Amino acid sequence: DAEITQSPRHKITETGRQVTLACHQTWNHNNMFWYRQDLGHGLRLIHYSYGVQDTNKGEVSDGYSVSRSNTEDLPLTLESAASSQTSVYFCASSARQGTLRETQYFGPGTRLLVL
Amino acid sequence: ELKVEQNPLFLSMQEGKNYTIYCNYSTTSDRLYWYRQDPGKSLESLFVLLSNGAVKQEGRLMASLDTKARLSTLHITAAVHDLSATYFCAVTNTGNQFYFGTGTSLTVIP
Repeated sequence: DAEITQSPRHKITETGRQVTLACHQTWNHNNMFWYRQDLGHGLRLIHYSYGVQDTNKGEVSDGYSVSRSNTEDLPLTLESAASSQTSVYFCASSARQGTLRETQYFGPGTRLLVL
Repeated sequence: ELKVEQNPLFLSMQEGKNYTIYCNYSTTSDRLYWYRQDPGKSLESLFVLLSNGAVKQEGRLMASLDTKARLSTLHITAAVHDLSATYFCAVTNTGNQFYFGTGTSLTVIP
């Protein structure tokens, strides 16, 4: 069965370190997204991609970057981790070419703690 | 900036009762999504509402969309414990970004 996986599932890091969270989907979806979930804020979009070599900034992109070198993967990098980036991170994907408007399928999440 | 508001934020209801969760959004959007999240788990898609007047039902849940009022409702009929979860609505804007509500935490009490 097709799925989205994220790794690691849990991560503890120190302020200032670079951290990369992996997202891999086997749906063959063109569109991929990264969100963070914090109490009182719901989910907020960090970055998204329509396809290979395409990346776009979302609502809360400062301090994060992504790259899309193939269809299956969209790694999220925290350039210099800050305590404010402690959160649960979800990766998601969807099928429709050229738009984000179809429903999204979510990965299991990564819990990140920045000390 | 597009804002999405849900109410109530917390809902405790007895088994067998009916209730409605409301989702209001601030700007024009022709598509609305409902998701369910169990504690410590990921989000699961429940409904995609594609046009004004759209209604979808799955089991004890029914979702509707009124784009003129910028309002969607998620109605729960004869609640059971298995429906305990957090429910999120989301809308998209012309820039194709998803905006989520803060969620409604539902607890069904036996």
